[in-house]
Amino acid sequence: EPEVTQTPSHQVTQMGQEVILRCVPISNHLYFYWYRQILGQKVEFLVSFYNNEISEKSEIFDDQFSVERPDGSNFTLKIRSTKLEDSAMYFCASMVIHGYTFGSGTRLTVV
Amino acid sequence: AQSVSQHNHHVILSEAASLELGCNYSYGGTVNLFWYVQYPGQHLQLLLKYFSGDPLVKGIKGFEAEFIKSKFSFNLRKPSVQWSDTAEYFCAVNSGGNNRLAFGKGNQVVVIP
Repeated sequence: EPEVTQTPSHQVTQMGQEVILRCVPISNHLYFYWYRQILGQKVEFLVSFYNNEISEKSEIFDDQFSVERPDGSNFTLKIRSTKLEDSAMYFCASMVIHGYTFGSGTRLTVV
Repeated sequence: AQSVSQHNHHVILSEAASLELGCNYSYGGTVNLFWYVQYPGQHLQLLLKYFSGDPLVKGIKGFEAEFIKSKFSFNLRKPSVQWSDTAEYFCAVNSGGNNRLAFGKGNQVVVIP
């Protein structure tokens, strides 16, 4: 069964550093997403991406965040200057006609 | 904006007991409804989904959910749980024309052997 792959599974970074979270969506999917889950809280939508551009973003997705699909297979989330409150589990998902598939997540810890 | 409510965040029950997890959403238009399960250390997996048709939806692993439009609810049920059902369960909703999912806070279910 096709999978969405996320790397790394765990990332520890110092506050103020840049991090890049990587995702390889399912190849024939057209929509790509990032969600995050802060410990003890609900899963929150960050951004959706379609046709090589952002189609929707939440209030959380401020100028510190960016996404790109640099090579047609990877889908990355960059956080330019991490803050303590960015510590969370970040999930990538891809979708075709409401068939979402989630990756296993990257646990980001900002210290 | 859509919102999704799940109550009783922590549920502890014994094997063979019945499980029901409540999910209520706030959106008056056409909705698509989902239940996801997250086993410890693993990714979100789809248990079942409702788009239209029969409001009683059968999913994997013996789970089912019933969509009651008048109550804005989509409760998840399993008649007899197993230890392997220990996991976190998330209800999610998206509305017609909007691909983003709105999640509830989740229910942490622990099944005691």
